[in-house]
Amino acid sequence: GAVVSQHPSWVICKSGTSVKIECRSLDFQATTMFWYRQFPKQSLMLMATSNEGSKATYEQGVEKDKFLINHASLTLSTLTVTSAHPEDSSFYICSGYQGEQYFGPGTRLTVT
Amino acid sequence: KQEVTQIPAALSVPEGENLVLNCSFTDSAIYNLQWFRQDPGKGLTSLLLIQSSQREQTSGRLNASLDKSSGRSTLYIAASQPGDSATYLCAVRNSYSGGGADGLTFGKGTHLIIQP
Repeated sequence: GAVVSQHPSWVICKSGTSVKIECRSLDFQATTMFWYRQFPKQSLMLMATSNEGSKATYEQGVEKDKFLINHASLTLSTLTVTSAHPEDSSFYICSGYQGEQYFGPGTRLTVT
Repeated sequence: KQEVTQIPAALSVPEGENLVLNCSFTDSAIYNLQWFRQDPGKGLTSLLLIQSSQREQTSGRLNASLDKSSGRSTLYIAASQPGDSATYLCAVRNSYSGGGADGLTFGKGTHLIIQP
């Protein structure tokens, strides 16, 4: 099956700093990638849809200036959390689309 | 706005039992429905994907059914094993954009424990 990787798998950063998460489709080209986040004991919530070569589409309530998404190639999308705050601590999961969504292993972000 | 509900939130059963997990969704205009497994702190493993035109899908000991008109799906696990312990997530893809890639709407999941 199609494989998606994420890097890093976990990251701790200080409040006010920025952190970048990478999502790569390893064996397929993904014109569309999705970013989700999951708070403890909650469902995954779609944050944004990322299309290669165009601006991301953000879901209602997600600040586009805080969560910067870049999808510069068919195999790589990045999510940058800018000026991170403790409430941004969450599990971030990406997926690449090829007929269906294939999910990465997730990135655990902790902001101290 | 699509909402997905999963019942029960948690389930603990002895090994060997057959069990059913339930999923309901509020908007029947779906493109497909998918069941995932999530282990603690891990990503998602796709178990079964049912297209809106299908009634059920089977893979090994797993069988998923879909009743789109009533907004319901069930995941049946036969002869449960301790290795089946995980959180099971139901997700729907809406059909608003006519087939283009859309994000999924997830339920909160059913936390399943199979006792040895």
